[in-house]
Order: sequence, then C-alpha cells, then structure tokens
Amino acid sequence: QQQVKQSPQSLIVQKGGISIINCAYENTAFDYFPWYQQFPGKGPALLIAIRPDVSEKKEGRFTISFNKSAKQFSLHIMDSQPGDSATYFCAASMSSNTGKLIFGQGTTLQVKP
Amino acid sequence: NAGVTQTPKFQVLKTGQSMTLQCAQDMNHEYMSWYRQDPGMGLRLIHYSVGAGITDQGEVPNGYNVSRSTTEDFPLRLLSAAPSQTSVYFCASSRGYNSPLHFGNGTRLTVT
Repeated sequence: QQQVKQSPQSLIVQKGGISIINCAYENTAFDYFPWYQQFPGKGPALLIAIRPDVSEKKEGRFTISFNKSAKQFSLHIMDSQPGDSATYFCAASMSSNTGKLIFGQGTTLQVKP
Repeated sequence: NAGVTQTPKFQVLKTGQSMTLQCAQDMNHEYMSWYRQDPGMGLRLIHYSVGAGITDQGEVPNGYNVSRSTTEDFPLRLLSAAPSQTSVYFCASSRGYNSPLHFGNGTRLTVT
C-alpha cells in the first residue's frame, strides 16, 4: 500500500507556464513533507520542504501548498523553464521514526521551449 | 567532499548469484538508507539505519540484507538475485529528521 500518492505521473508544460504536482497521504503522524528533484543519471536532491504548522512555503519560483485537513500537499513551479525538466518526488516522514522517509511515485515534468 | 559514493555504477547478475552494493559517506551522517527506483513506483525504501549497529526494515526489505558496522559504510547485500530485483539502487544519508537526504548517483542492476 502506497503511503504517499503522487499525481500526475507525467506533465508537459509550456515555458513560462505553471507546473502543479499533487500528493496525498494517509498517515496523520507524518510531520515533515519534502520535495526532491531528480535529473537523469543523478540521485534526487532536496528542492523544498514544509512542516504541517504552515500552509504555504515559497522559495523562488517553487511553492509548497499544504492542506492538513485534506491530507494533501502540492508543488507549484511558477514561470516554468526548460531547465526545470526533471522528475519530482514528494515525500513524508515522522519525527517518531526519523530514519524513514517515504516517497511518492514521482512526476516526470517536461517544459517545452 | 565526495558526499555519498556508490559502487559499482552498473552490474549484471545471473539469477541466484549474490553480491554486495557498496555505499560510503564522508559527512559523518548518522542516518543512512537504501532505496530502489522502478518506473511508476517511485523510490521505495529497502532498509535504513539510524546509527552504527542499528538497522531496520523499510517498505520492500525481502531479499536484501544490511549491516552498519561503521558510521561511514552501509552495504546492501543481495542474497540470491532474482529478475524482480532489476532496478536502480540509491543510497542516501542525512544528519537526521528534518535534514536533507544526500543521495549517491545510483547503481543500475540487471538480473538475467
């Protein structure tokens, strides 16, 4: 059973557009929600993360929106650029089990010039 | 800093063979973990460790063994390789909860 569900599986966006990736979770004990970005042939790297005590976090063109009651969170990429083309993973972990970070299925984003 | 180093980069095994995927980090991180990445399945946690001598199972531990005798090293052993273990394997480390996971560049394993 997938504890973190991510959609869509793939996404094509025009340059300058907004990319939106959604994630949902079941376990209310999760209290840390990072997003990772992966380029081909490389390991994933942390992009941005949020705790459930805030509803939104913004870093440059990247924003996480968090809805605790719906148990959902999403990544918004504003003014998407071809260099943003990558695979994006949402993830979740809980402070009571600090070594265990659970990932979603991943979204492959293609930004067309 | 080398970060997280995984060896080998590529490996082909026959069904039933055993092998060890090596992982080493030079950041003095307590937390280390192994993931496998398969199309449409994302990254699935195999085993993880919160310190030397301490390991625990992740989401898909069957067919894999780990040990953590030092802070730096966290090898993953395949006991008897099966075609279902064909995947890309990533090792990662972090300082702990709420800290970024630092990933290696992966080992692409094919089991025929």
